[in-house]
Amino acid sequence: SQKIEQNSEALNIQEGKTATLTCNYTNYSPAYLQWYRQDPGRGPVFLLLIRENEKEKRKERLKVTFDTTLKQSLFHITASQPADSATYLCALGLQTGANNLFFGTGTRLTVIP
Amino acid sequence: NAGVTQTPKFQVLKTGQSMTLQCAQDMNHEYMSWYRQDPGMGLRLIHYSVGAGITDQGEVPNGYNVSRSTTEDFPLRLLSAAPSQTSVYFCASSAPGTKYNEQFFGPGTRLTVL
Repeated sequence: SQKIEQNSEALNIQEGKTATLTCNYTNYSPAYLQWYRQDPGRGPVFLLLIRENEKEKRKERLKVTFDTTLKQSLFHITASQPADSATYLCALGLQTGANNLFFGTGTRLTVIP
Repeated sequence: NAGVTQTPKFQVLKTGQSMTLQCAQDMNHEYMSWYRQDPGMGLRLIHYSVGAGITDQGEVPNGYNVSRSTTEDFPLRLLSAAPSQTSVYFCASSAPGTKYNEQFFGPGTRLTVL
């Protein structure tokens, strides 16, 4: 069956450390992968996109990797801050030009001051 | 720009009642979609539309209807509410003409069916 799993439901880290979130998938062949941030009571907000032929993308303190052999994406937040505390969702897009996304269950990150 | 707006924010229904969740966007996005979010399940696609007059089913369409008469609006109808439809509903839109479209989400509607 098709699955998208994000490492743990909750991850606690100390301020200033690097947070690493994992997204693993089975029985999908995504053309691209996106990461979203979701705060309590709000809709998800887009953060980063990585295409199937890209290994790594960066945006400020965020870095995402995509390994289609391992069927895994890693999402890193460096120099984490309490304001980074949120739930992070990965989403797979199966076709370029098609907008339907398949979401993981999310990882709730708490950055402890 | 207001972005994607959804009404109501909260709703309580009794089993068997019908209602319409409203969604509107002011970004001239062609693609709009409805997701539901349940604990431990992630966001799941209910219905989507690639433009006015065109709709299609997502992963979990049963019990829901949609229509798209304008670019701006994409209402979701529950025909006969069931407790299994208790969830948080998100509407999303994305821009035309790009291959890897980021989705813009509304603030959500929290629905409880008793």
